[in-house]
Amino acid sequence: AQSVTQPDIHITVSEGASLELRCNYSYGATPYLFWYVQSPGQGLQLLLKYFSGDTLVQGIKGFEAEFKRSQSSFNLRKPSVHWSDAAEYFCAVGEGTGRRALTFGSGTRLQVQP
Amino acid sequence: NAGVTQTPKFRILKIGQSMTLQCAQDMNHNYMYWYRQDPGMGLKLIYYSVGAGITDKGEVPNGYNVSRSTTEDFPLRLELAAPSQTSVYFCASSYSGQGYEQYFGPGTRLTVT
Repeated sequence: AQSVTQPDIHITVSEGASLELRCNYSYGATPYLFWYVQSPGQGLQLLLKYFSGDTLVQGIKGFEAEFKRSQSSFNLRKPSVHWSDAAEYFCAVGEGTGRRALTFGSGTRLQVQP
Repeated sequence: NAGVTQTPKFRILKIGQSMTLQCAQDMNHNYMYWYRQDPGMGLKLIYYSVGAGITDKGEVPNGYNVSRSTTEDFPLRLELAAPSQTSVYFCASSYSGQGYEQYFGPGTRLTVT
């Protein structure tokens, strides 16, 4: 069965600093990978996704992620964090066939200091 | 285009009561899902549907039931509510083609006391 690990439960960065959120996955086939963001009291919004092709994918709000098959990782990055980026971030791996459900990591809560 | 809608937003139930969480999507998606999110955890799959009339269990189906009579609607039924069902419930949908990200509703926060 697939699994996702987000090793950092909570991260605090200063506004304007760079950000990297870690994600490691376990999946038997080519993974379908996603990053979602959840603001307090809100649903989940897709930031970016990877299915195939270029291993560096660009998303909304200035985020990018890099798929590294050798490390089973899909880390999320942003060069300069804004106060509005404070939220919870979830990495997920998707099943390519069948039910196509997502398996989520436990999330990383990002706090942004002024 | 409203996307995925869920009602109610909040609900408090007493132990043993029943209720239905409503979910609807207007994107003509075949796939629909129910997840629950517990504090400090990721989302866990309760039930899913790959089309009208077809539903199946996810990882944590006990205490829940679903139906899918139309493409648009996918209600989740809680029978005999228990405190362990206190959670935030998210409905999601996706289309069948490649690039199938899931679109999420705003969630229902349920407390069972």
